[in-house]
Order: sequence, then C-alpha cells, then structure tokens
Amino acid sequence: GEQVEQLPSSLIVQEGASVLINCSYTDSASVYFPWYKQEPGKRLQFIIDIRSNMERKQNQRLTLLFDKKTKHLSLHITATQPGDSAIYFCSASINTNAYKVIFGKGTHLHVLP
Amino acid sequence: ETAVFQTPNYHVTQVGNEVSFNCKQTLGHDTMYWYKQDSKKLLKIMFSYNNKQLIVNETVPRRFSPQSSDKAHLNLRIKSVEPEDSAVYLCASSTDSSNTEVFFGKGTRLTVV
Repeated sequence: GEQVEQLPSSLIVQEGASVLINCSYTDSASVYFPWYKQEPGKRLQFIIDIRSNMERKQNQRLTLLFDKKTKHLSLHITATQPGDSAIYFCSASINTNAYKVIFGKGTHLHVLP
Repeated sequence: ETAVFQTPNYHVTQVGNEVSFNCKQTLGHDTMYWYKQDSKKLLKIMFSYNNKQLIVNETVPRRFSPQSSDKAHLNLRIKSVEPEDSAVYLCASSTDSSNTEVFFGKGTRLTVV
C-alpha cells in the first residue's frame, strides 16, 4: 500500500528563518496531498493542500511544491515565528474521496524566539 | 460551534477491560474516521465510515469495533484492552465530495495499566 516518508524528523531554527520539509510517497495513484499541523495539546489542523494536477500552491508564508514524476513534495515556510512550532504532517490520499489518508511520521519544528 | 467533539478526553483502565469512546460532528459531513496516534505521534487510519456505512477497515485487531448510529456519530468500542492500545484516538470527519480537508477532534487519550 501507499507509504509516505517525511524528512527531516525534527528541525530547530531561529525566529525569522525559512524551513523546508520534504515528503515522498510511493503510490502513483495518489491524487490529493493535504498537510496538517499539530501544536502541543491542540487538534490536528489543516494548513495547505495540493492536487496531482498542480505543481505549486501558496498560502501566505506557506509554499507547497509537487513533483509528480519523482513523487515528491516540499513545504516551504518563510519568516518562521515561535507560533509555528508544531508537528507538521504530510499525507496522501489515493481515493477520489478522502476515505483513506496515509500520513507521514511528522516533522517536529521548533522555532526559537 | 461546528466541529468534531470527542468524549472522554482521557481514560485510564486496566488490561482486559472494555472501553467506549464517543464522537460527534456538527459540520454536516458525510464521512467520519477513527485514527490512532501512538506515543511517537505516528498517525494510522483505523476505520472510515460514509453515511453510516463502513468503507475502510484497516488491519485492526477484532477487539476494536466502530459503531455508527447516524452520519454525525461514530463511536469506538474496544473489548478487552491490551497495553499496546495505549494511544490517542482521533476522530475526524470530511465531506463526501472530491478530496477535501479532514477535520479532527481533540482526541481521547487511552492509558492501559
């Protein structure tokens, strides 16, 4: 079945720095790639997504790049703030409906003030 | 407030006991899920329901049984819990259209002693 790999597992950066989180998947049938953020003690929260017919999507300080050929995604966060500290999850969905979303292991981001 | 609500927040029980977790969504969604998040924050899909019908049943021990009375409710019962069942159980929901974001509850933390 689908496997989602995410790197790095953790990142520690100074406030204001940019970070890059990489994600790869195995099943070429995957069509939808949402990303989620989990702050300590809070619920998982959707932050950005991309579909397999797109190459790039931006939402304020978040830019998501998608390469269908290499089955690779990367999330770029600019001008990080302490409030960005969280676990970031990449995920992939094969179905046309999100019945089975497979998650990566997460990237723990710590932004130091 | 429209969201995904889970009860209880925490539950501590002994090996061999039966537990039941409740989940309700007020978002008007057709699809609901149970995910398990272990101590390393790894997320795994357990079940997906669409309009009260089981759609996805991952490789989950038979002691786990989901129960859906209507599309807004999806409960999870665990018969005879084991130590490896200690985790956070996340309920979630989404619309039944083409892939869209999944909305998560705050989770139920189960500790089996």
